Amino acid sequence: NAGVTQTPKFQVLKTGQSMTLQCAQDMNHEYMSWYRQDPGMGLRLIHYSVGAGITDQGEVPNGYNVSRSTTEDFPLRLLSAAPSQTSVYFCASWRNTEAFFGQGTRLTVV
Amino acid sequence: AQSVTQLDSQVPVFEEAPVELRCNYSSSVSVYLFWYVQYPNQGLQLLLKYLSGSTLVKGINGFEAEFNKSQTSFHLRKPSVHISDTAEYFCAVSTDKLIFGTGTRLQVFP
Repeated sequence: NAGVTQTPKFQVLKTGQSMTLQCAQDMNHEYMSWYRQDPGMGLRLIHYSVGAGITDQGEVPNGYNVSRSTTEDFPLRLLSAAPSQTSVYFCASWRNTEAFFGQGTRLTVV
Repeated sequence: AQSVTQLDSQVPVFEEAPVELRCNYSSSVSVYLFWYVQYPNQGLQLLLKYLSGSTLVKGINGFEAEFNKSQTSFHLRKPSVHISDTAEYFCAVSTDKLIFGTGTRLQVFP
């Protein structure tokens, strides 16, 4: 039972490049979310999903895209990276009683 | 819409002193409430959660929290802190999405 697997752990991008952060869970959770963590701002919700085929925007969705084709996977796509997207990203898989987090991705956009 | 407010961004305290970290929430529906801790350069760890029942919830590492529905609060307390409690603490609420506060940095001094 691996829990939540998030890759990569570190990434450096040039402005304008695109990339996908991967997130997979093996707990059959319906709910999955992506967050970004910046100093003094806590974890801000980017996008979330309440089940396969269903996604919705969180607090800071601009510049990010998601899809949920299966219950297990919830990838986050950066369409055209900007320096403002430099952050630590966390994927979470959860049910109402507890959330499980990936290890985080430290992304730097130069 | 739901939201979480952590009233203190930083709380300095001496070792063995008591501490309270404040959290207020707003929601139009019933919520579940959580406290998470993040040690430097690590992921998030669940401290405790309130789902229903007794309003006083006990968690790991000697922490406890009290749910107050009339004041929409879920403050975290510890009667005697240790140096090892130095970390960032996040309050969170869940309905169909999991929302975090901006965090409180607890700094424990010898």
